[in-house]
Amino acid sequence: GAVVSQHPSRVICKSGTSVKIECRSLDFQATTMFWYRQFPKKSLMLMATSNEGSKATYEQGVEKDKFLINHASLTLSTLTVTSAHPEDSSFYICSANPGANLQETQYFGPGTRLLVL
Amino acid sequence: TQLLEQSPQFLSIQEGENLTVYCNSSSVFSSLQWYRQEPGEGPVLLVTVVTGGEVKKLKRLTFQFGDARKDSSLHITAAQTGDTGLYLCAGISGNTGKLIFGQGTTLQVKP
Repeated sequence: GAVVSQHPSRVICKSGTSVKIECRSLDFQATTMFWYRQFPKKSLMLMATSNEGSKATYEQGVEKDKFLINHASLTLSTLTVTSAHPEDSSFYICSANPGANLQETQYFGPGTRLLVL
Repeated sequence: TQLLEQSPQFLSIQEGENLTVYCNSSSVFSSLQWYRQEPGEGPVLLVTVVTGGEVKKLKRLTFQFGDARKDSSLHITAAQTGDTGLYLCAGISGNTGKLIFGQGTTLQVKP
């Protein structure tokens, strides 16, 4: 089956620094990738849709200057949390859509645990 | 705005018991998906239901899609400790490909 990886799996950083999280589709190309945020024992909350070769589309309430998304190739999307603060600590998950049909199944990465001190 | 209401949000049962998780919406979805997630990992797709009234079985798990395609249920028979986890329903929103998730059901199966 389709595999999506994330790197790093966990990261601890100091308040004020920036952290980059990578999402890669390993055996397929993904024009569209999605970024989610998840709090403990809660559901996934969609943050943004990452489109290869164009600007990301952010959900209401998500600061685009805070969460920078770059989808530079068909297999890689990155999420950069800029000037991170403790309230940005969370579990970040990406997913990738392998086809042009957006109704197709998305494949999820294993997630990245971010802790901001 | 499409919303999915999932219930119950927490469920603690003994091994061997049966349970049902519900996912309801006032909107029609072209398909609904059920995921299971373990702590510290990404969600894993269990099933996709597409046709109104559809019933799918996966071993001890039975998934049903409502006739009007607005609701779905997950029934687990004779739960095992290995079924413990977070269960999520999700529907694809329109033609954007965005997944709308329910609030999730944290299931704990005690030995």
